[in-house]
Amino acid sequence: DTEVTQTPKHLVMGMTNKKSLKCEQHMGHRAMYWYKQKAKKPPELMFVYSYEKLSINESVPSRFSPECPNSSLLNLHLHALQPEDSALYLCASSPLLERGPPSGELFFGEGSRLTVL
Amino acid sequence: GENVEQHPSTLSVQEGDSAVIKCTYSDSASNYFPWYKQELGKRPQLIIDIRSNVGEKKDQRIAVTLNKTAKHFSLHITETQPEDSAVYFCAASRGTGRRALTFGSGTRLQVQP
Repeated sequence: DTEVTQTPKHLVMGMTNKKSLKCEQHMGHRAMYWYKQKAKKPPELMFVYSYEKLSINESVPSRFSPECPNSSLLNLHLHALQPEDSALYLCASSPLLERGPPSGELFFGEGSRLTVL
Repeated sequence: GENVEQHPSTLSVQEGDSAVIKCTYSDSASNYFPWYKQELGKRPQLIIDIRSNVGEKKDQRIAVTLNKTAKHFSLHITETQPEDSAVYFCAASRGTGRRALTFGSGTRLQVQP
């Protein structure tokens, strides 16, 4: 299995809603990432998990809350979002070389397209 | 932190012509340079990558060159086809530490049949 699977593919939510985005991979990758991508822009890093521990938070507002319950799953909990948070949210994974740094290559999921009304 | 600049932002070529996209990076410690292709509404997909211990890598119609002294790297696509039309992103990262990729701003390539 060489896929990163994201659900849901599309999500529309109001500013007072609480929702979650889910990501799953079964490639044995121990680094997992959340990226945000606006139209016609490159992916922007939000969070990095290494061995299920948060290793990078790129100053993301607290209305985005990541969670890594096990080595195959990554969630992004959403609460009190703003319309400007509407974007494509991409999950990615990469191998970690023994207990060293990530290998670099990212495997992306298809993304969850979020619309905040 | 790392800063990656990418040019041009759009590129239109005739089918069969070559296309070249260039990137520069700022962090001299970066040593991994991938290129991603993103078709409309799809995920970014790795098409080729290069590490700092080599100067050039080729895979069929796609090649990447790296000049570490000048801190720039380029993507070359030969014999372009309409299915090469997409947005291409370059990226850079250090091989040490847990820094993730820093992406360039993207190049929209259109191959005219």
